[in-house]
Amino acid sequence: EDKVVQSPLSLVVHEGDTVTLNCSYEVTNFRSLLWYKQEKKAPTFLFMLTSSGIEKKSGRLSSILDKKELFSILNITATQTGDSAVYLCAVENAGTYKYIFGTGTRLKVLA
Amino acid sequence: NAGVTQTPKFRVLKTGQSMTLLCAQDMNHEYMYWYRQDPGMGLRLIHYSVGEGTTAKGEVPDGYNVSRLKKQNFLLGLESAAPSQTSVYFCASRRVGGGETQYFGPGTRLLVL
Repeated sequence: EDKVVQSPLSLVVHEGDTVTLNCSYEVTNFRSLLWYKQEKKAPTFLFMLTSSGIEKKSGRLSSILDKKELFSILNITATQTGDSAVYLCAVENAGTYKYIFGTGTRLKVLA
Repeated sequence: NAGVTQTPKFRVLKTGQSMTLLCAQDMNHEYMYWYRQDPGMGLRLIHYSVGEGTTAKGEVPDGYNVSRLKKQNFLLGLESAAPSQTSVYFCASRRVGGGETQYFGPGTRLLVL
């Protein structure tokens, strides 16, 4: 059965800290891994990763995929209170076009 | 270009009542999905569709039915609502092909008493 596991479940940091969020997966016929940020509404897209070792960056956020060890990390540097959200990881099964989501990591950034 | 819209935004039902949630997209996407999200959990796939007239079951399909009569619309039906169906429902759509992300609607909050 396809599975995506995120850790930690929740995290509290202070502004300026750097955080690393983890996503491991067991998915048959992997196509892509996606990261989303969810505040009190619909998830918003952050990154899509398809190849190992290639870092994707957007401002203070970056992410990388390891297809051999079956995991991805999302890094946020110099955190701000606006980064407080639930971060979701999802993996696409290429054979079925379905996405399997992890339960998310709830990040709270204190001023 | 409205993207993905969902109707209604919020609804309260009594146990045993029926209702239909509507998802509409104006991006000409082939694939559409219905998810539910419960507190402390990620998104769980209810049903999805890879094209007009086709639907398939996801992880948690029991108690729900869907229809995709038009490419732009994906309907989620609850025939006899139960309190366990209290949740936030998200619809999403995407283009055909690899390397595509989903676009999410704003969500429908459903409370079943």
